[in-house]
Amino acid sequence: EIRLVESGGGLVQPGGSVRLSCEASGFTFSNYYISWVRQAPGKGLEWVANINQGGTDTYYADSVRGRFTISRDNAKNSVYLQMNGLRSDDTAVYHCARDELSLATIGNNWGPGTLVAVSS
Amino acid sequence: IQMTQSPSTLSASVGDRVTITCRSSQNIDVWVAWFQQKQGKAPKILIHRASVLEDGVPPRFSGTGSGTEFTLTISSLQPDDFATYYCQQYHGHGRMTFGPGTRLDIK
Repeated sequence: EIRLVESGGGLVQPGGSVRLSCEASGFTFSNYYISWVRQAPGKGLEWVANINQGGTDTYYADSVRGRFTISRDNAKNSVYLQMNGLRSDDTAVYHCARDELSLATIGNNWGPGTLVAVSS
Repeated sequence: IQMTQSPSTLSASVGDRVTITCRSSQNIDVWVAWFQQKQGKAPKILIHRASVLEDGVPPRFSGTGSGTEFTLTISSLQPDDFATYYCQQYHGHGRMTFGPGTRLDIK
C-alpha cells in the first residue's frame, strides 16, 4: 500500500521557522518526484514546491521562493520542507504528493496533511 | 503561469450538462490536468494532458483544449459529482499551478 505521511506542523509565530517531513512507504521512493501542495482553510489548492528523484532539481512557487527549501533523503524515504520567514498567509494544511511518472504531474497519492498555523 | 477558472461557483441539477472553463496566461500546449476535491478529502485526478481520462473515471467526464483555453465537461451530472474542481498546469516539468477552483453545488 502506498502511503505518504506528513509531520512537523504546529503553531508558529510570524517570522518563525518550521520543518515539515513527509515519510513515504509502499513504493520505490527514489523513482519519483515529490511535491508539496498547501490548502489554506476554506481556500483552494496551491502547489508549493517539488523535487526530482535524486534531489538535484528543485522548483518553487513564486510565493515561497527564497523562504522555503525542499530536500529529500532517499535512504530514509523522506522529503522535507524547511519553511523560514513565515507569514500569516502561509497558514495552511501542507500535503506531500507523489508525481506520477505516467502523468508527468501529481496523481492520486497524497498524504493527509499537516497544519501549519502562523500567528502571534 | 497563472490559471483562471470560470465560473467560480456553479449551481446545477442531477442530469444537467455542465462545462467549466480554465484559461492560462501563456501557451501551455496540452499540459493541463483536472482534479475533483470533496470536502475533507484529497484531490482526485480526473483528466491529464487536457483530454486523457484517468483510469476508473466515468466517461461522463471529458476534457478539451490546447494552448491557453481548456474545458472540463460533465455530460450528465450525478449526485457524486457535486464537489470542487481545479484545473492545473504542468508545462515545464516541476513547475505547476492550480486554478482557483470551481465549486459545483446542487441547485
